[in-house]
Amino acid sequence: AQSVTQLDSQVPVFEEAPVELRCNYSSSVSVYLFWYVQYPNQGLQLLLKYLSGSTLVKGINGFEAEFNKSQTSFHLRKPSVHISDTAEYFCAVIGGFKTIFGAGTRLFVKA
Amino acid sequence: DVKVTQSSRYLVKRTGEKVFLECVQDMDHENMFWYRQDPGLGLRLIYFSYDVKMKEKGDIPEGYSVSREKKERFSLILESASTNQTSMYLCASSSIPRGQGNEQYFGPGTRLTVT
Repeated sequence: AQSVTQLDSQVPVFEEAPVELRCNYSSSVSVYLFWYVQYPNQGLQLLLKYLSGSTLVKGINGFEAEFNKSQTSFHLRKPSVHISDTAEYFCAVIGGFKTIFGAGTRLFVKA
Repeated sequence: DVKVTQSSRYLVKRTGEKVFLECVQDMDHENMFWYRQDPGLGLRLIYFSYDVKMKEKGDIPEGYSVSREKKERFSLILESASTNQTSMYLCASSSIPRGQGNEQYFGPGTRLTVT
């Protein structure tokens, strides 16, 4: 069965600093991985996705993620965060016909 | 611009009431989903539908039912609301093929409080 573990529930970081949000997955079938972002009082929106091909995936707002099959990880990174990046981030994997979401990581960007 | 709309942003209901949450999408998507979101638990799937009048249980269907009479509309029904159903409810839709990397599009959510 597929599962997703987000290793940090909260990540505080200063503005313009780099950030990494960690995600590990388990899957016995082909892997399709996603990162979604949820801004305060909004639904989720897609940040980026990995389906196949290059293991480095670029998304919106300067985020990128690297698929690492040997470590079963799909960590999200941004070299320099902005106050507006404060949000909750969800890693997800497709399991059969369903999408399995992690518990979420709340990113706080401080001035 | 693609859109998933939910009938209410905030809802307060009493224990025992029947509650209807409505979701409409304008993208002609075949698949629609209802999740509940609770702190520290992420999103948990309640029900999903892959076609009109079709529905399948998700991971936590107890206490809920759904209806999909039209392709664009997917309703979540709480037959008799209880306080443990206080939560954020998110609706989503996606196109076929299922399970092959298609992203989901989410509505803004309904924050339901049951007192």
